[in-house]
Amino acid sequence: EDQVTQSPEALRLQEGESSSLNCSYTVSGLRGLFWYRQDPGKGPEFLFTLYSAGEEKEKERLKATLTKKESFLHITAPKPEDSATYLCAVQPWRGAQKLVFGQGTRLTINP
Amino acid sequence: DTGVSQDPRHKITKRGQNVTFRCDPISEHNRLYWYRQTLGQGPEFLTYFQNEAQLEKSRLLSDRFSAERPKGSFSTLEIQRTEQGDSAMYLCASSLAEQGGNQPQHFGDGTRLSIL
Repeated sequence: EDQVTQSPEALRLQEGESSSLNCSYTVSGLRGLFWYRQDPGKGPEFLFTLYSAGEEKEKERLKATLTKKESFLHITAPKPEDSATYLCAVQPWRGAQKLVFGQGTRLTINP
Repeated sequence: DTGVSQDPRHKITKRGQNVTFRCDPISEHNRLYWYRQTLGQGPEFLTYFQNEAQLEKSRLLSDRFSAERPKGSFSTLEIQRTEQGDSAMYLCASSLAEQGGNQPQHFGDGTRLSIL
C-alpha cells in the first residue's frame, strides 16, 4: 500500500533558525512527489514537484530534495510568514491521478 | 488567473440531511479531483474526473456520496443522509492533462461541513 509519513508533526523555530522537514514514502512506482503549503482555513498551495532521485528545486527560502525513499524540505533563515503546515504527497504510477498525502508538519516561526 | 472556487465555504446541517457542494475549476483544466481532510490530517482522495468522465473512486466514497461533472466544467459533490463522521473539509482540485507531463493539482479553499 502506498504510504507517506512526515516528521516531525510540529516544529517551532526562531526567526532565522534553519531546519529541515522529512517526508518518507513507500510507493509501488513514483510518478511524482509534491510539496504543498497550507495556511489555516485555506486549501493546499502548490510549492514543488520532484520526479527522480537526486533532483532539487528551490523557491525563495525553501529547497526540496528527493531520494529513493524520502524527500526533505529545507528552510533557510525562515521568517514568521513561513509559518504554515507543509504537506508532502506522492502520485503513484498505479491508481490514475490521485495524490497520497502525509499528515503534514506544522511549522511555527517565532519573531 | 482565477483559481479553483468552491461554494459554500461553510455548511452546517443536521444529521440525516442531504448536502451538495459545488466546485468551479481553473477554466482550462480538464481534470478535477475531490478530497476530504479532517483536522490534523492530510487530504484523502475521494474521486477524479477527466472532462465529464468519472475515472476513479476511492473506497472512502460510500453509496451515500455521489459526484458529477456535467459538460466537463463545474462539479458537484452530494452527500445523502449525512452522518457525524462526514464532518470534514471537502477540497476540490484541478489540473491540466498534458501528453507526457505531470501537471500539479491546484486546490480551492474547501467547504467545511459540520454535522450537528
